[in-house]
Amino acid sequence: GENVEQHPSTLSVQEGDSAVIKCTYSDSASNYFPWYKQELGKGPQLIIDIRSNVGEKKDQRIAVTLNKTAKHFSLHITETQPEDSAVYFCAASKNTGRRALTFGSGTRLQVQP
Amino acid sequence: GAGVSQSPRYKVAKRGQDVALRCDPISGHVSLFWYQQALGQGPEFLTYFQNEAQLDKSGLPSDRFFAERPEGSVSTLKIQRTQQEDSAVYLCASSGRDRNTEAFFGQGTRLTVV
Repeated sequence: GENVEQHPSTLSVQEGDSAVIKCTYSDSASNYFPWYKQELGKGPQLIIDIRSNVGEKKDQRIAVTLNKTAKHFSLHITETQPEDSAVYFCAASKNTGRRALTFGSGTRLQVQP
Repeated sequence: GAGVSQSPRYKVAKRGQDVALRCDPISGHVSLFWYQQALGQGPEFLTYFQNEAQLDKSGLPSDRFFAERPEGSVSTLKIQRTQQEDSAVYLCASSGRDRNTEAFFGQGTRLTVV
């Protein structure tokens, strides 16, 4: 089955700096890669996603890049703000009837004011 | 409501007790997923429904876990004879008909087995 590895497990940045979180996946058939933000006591919330026919996608301060050959994808947050502090999860899934997500282990991002 | 609703938010069960966790998906969403999230970990897939059909239950950890969605809307995850290792947050997610559309998660039910 699919295996998703995520690094780093914790990340501390100063407000205004950029943050980068990286994930690798094992199944070359995976073609959908969402990123979720999870705040304490809440469920994961989708912040951006990318499909395998695209190499990069940007939404305001958030961008995701995908390298299918190397089977890795990254989340980039620019101009970080204290409210970006949360746990971020990458995930992968295949375009099959199952469509379940395989999640990484999470990155706890702390933005210091 | 506008989002995925789960109840109860918190459940404390004595070891050996049976529990039932409820998920109300977003109206009209055909796909429904259950995930288990241990403390400090990412969610792990348990089972998947398309309407009332349970198409994948490969993630259920044992035969003590059972899920149903009889009318293709509300779903219930039942855990029989709970054990301490069942303590986790149980998340429900729903999504629309199209493949790879966004999955919306509920806030989860935190189960503590004592």
